[in-house]
Amino acid sequence: AQTVTQSQPEMSVQEAETVTLSCTYDTSESDYYLFWYKQPPSRQMILVIRQEAYKQQNATENRFSVNFQKAAKSFSLKISDSQLGDAAMYFCAYRSDKGAQKLVFGQGTRLTINP
Amino acid sequence: GAVVSQHPSRVICKSGTSVKIECRSLDFQATTMFWYRQFPKQSLMLMATSNEGSKATYEQGVEKDKFLINHASLTLSTLTVTSAHPEDSSFYICSAIPQLGKVSNQPQHFGDGTRLSIL
Repeated sequence: AQTVTQSQPEMSVQEAETVTLSCTYDTSESDYYLFWYKQPPSRQMILVIRQEAYKQQNATENRFSVNFQKAAKSFSLKISDSQLGDAAMYFCAYRSDKGAQKLVFGQGTRLTINP
Repeated sequence: GAVVSQHPSRVICKSGTSVKIECRSLDFQATTMFWYRQFPKQSLMLMATSNEGSKATYEQGVEKDKFLINHASLTLSTLTVTSAHPEDSSFYICSAIPQLGKVSNQPQHFGDGTRLSIL
C-alpha cells in the first residue's frame, strides 16, 4: 500500500519570505499523481498544485512550485513571497493512475505566516 | 469550475439518532465519490469509495452497517451515520471526480465538509 509522510508537523515563515514543505512517499507504481492541498481554518480543501509522475518538469502555479524527485520519492512544496493568506494546513497526497483513484494523504503541516 | 455541495454544513443531534449527509456535484457528473473523516488537527482518512449504481467500497476498519453510503445518481452520494454516538463526532468531507475523459487525469473536487456533533 502507498504511504505519504510529512515530517514537519509545523512550520513558520516570515511574511514575504520563502518556505519549503517536505513530503516523501512510498510506492511500487511508476504512474501516479501527486498533489498539495491547502486547508485553511474554514476547513475547505483547496488544490494548490499537482504533478504527474511521468513529467520530469516540476509543476508551478504562480508563487507555488514543487521539487519532484521521482527516484528519491520526494515531493516538496515551495511557497515564495509568503502571504498572510497562505497560513493553513498543507497536505501532500498521492493518487494512483489506476484503480479506485483514491487519495492517500500525509499527516499535514501547519504553516504559520509571521507578519 | 467544478463545484461539490455538501449538506448540512453543521449538525448537532442526540445520541442514538441517525444522520444523513448529502454530497452533490453541481455542474458535473461523477461516477465515483469519496467520503473522508477528519479528527481535529489530523489528516483526512478515507472511509469509503462510493460508486454510482453499485455498492460502496469501505476501507479497512470502517463499519459498513454504521456508515451507510448510497450513490443513487451521477450527481448525488449520501452518507448516513446510523445510531450515532459521541465517538462518531467528527468532520466529514466528500469529494468527487468528474466523469470527463480519462478519470485518472481528473482532480478530485471537495465539498466544504460537515461538522457532526453527537451529544
